[in-house]
Amino acid sequence: AQSVTQLGSHVSVSEGALVLLRCNYSSSVPPYLFWYVQYPNQGLQLLLKYTSAATLVKGINGFEAEFKKSETSFHLTKPSAHMSDAAEYFCAVSAMDSNYQLIWGAGTKLIIKP
Amino acid sequence: NAGVTQTPKFRVLKTGQSMTLLCAQDMNHEYMYWYRQDPGMGLRLIHYSVGEGTTAKGEVPDGYNVSRLKKQNFLLGLESAAPSQTSVYFCASRPKWTAPYEQYFGPGTRLTVT
Repeated sequence: AQSVTQLGSHVSVSEGALVLLRCNYSSSVPPYLFWYVQYPNQGLQLLLKYTSAATLVKGINGFEAEFKKSETSFHLTKPSAHMSDAAEYFCAVSAMDSNYQLIWGAGTKLIIKP
Repeated sequence: NAGVTQTPKFRVLKTGQSMTLLCAQDMNHEYMYWYRQDPGMGLRLIHYSVGEGTTAKGEVPDGYNVSRLKKQNFLLGLESAAPSQTSVYFCASRPKWTAPYEQYFGPGTRLTVT
């Protein structure tokens, strides 16, 4: 079985500052990992995904995430925050033993201060 | 290519009323899902379907029913709405055989039960 923990329900950063959103997972088998973004009053959009091809994954809008097996982490980063990054971000995990159902973190709302 | 669409976008119901939410996808995906999203709770799986004519319960199925009569459509029904079902409902779909089995989301239906 899998589980996901996102540290911090709200993260506030200044425009131009580093964005770091934390995601830790547990899985007894090799997982797939995802970050989704939800802009206000919209659906969820895939930001990036880890498929075991590379541990550093680049996504849309300048975001990237690094898979660290030893730390069971998949933290999301962006070097310089932009006002348009204000959204809610969800980390999710799936694996073969759960028929690849997505197990979701509770989400982190990213607030960008001008 | 519309992706995943949901009808309606908004709905207000009185307690005890019934309604059906429609999800349609044009990507020929086998798997379809219904989630509800509540503040601070991430996404919770209500029901899902692995193919035409099949449905299964998710994490929070009580008070909901589903049907998948056609591959492209997945209906979510509320027989007797309750205020606790006030939520945003998302439909998602994914392919059966294409790793990493990411899910594609609709724009959501905002339901208020008074």
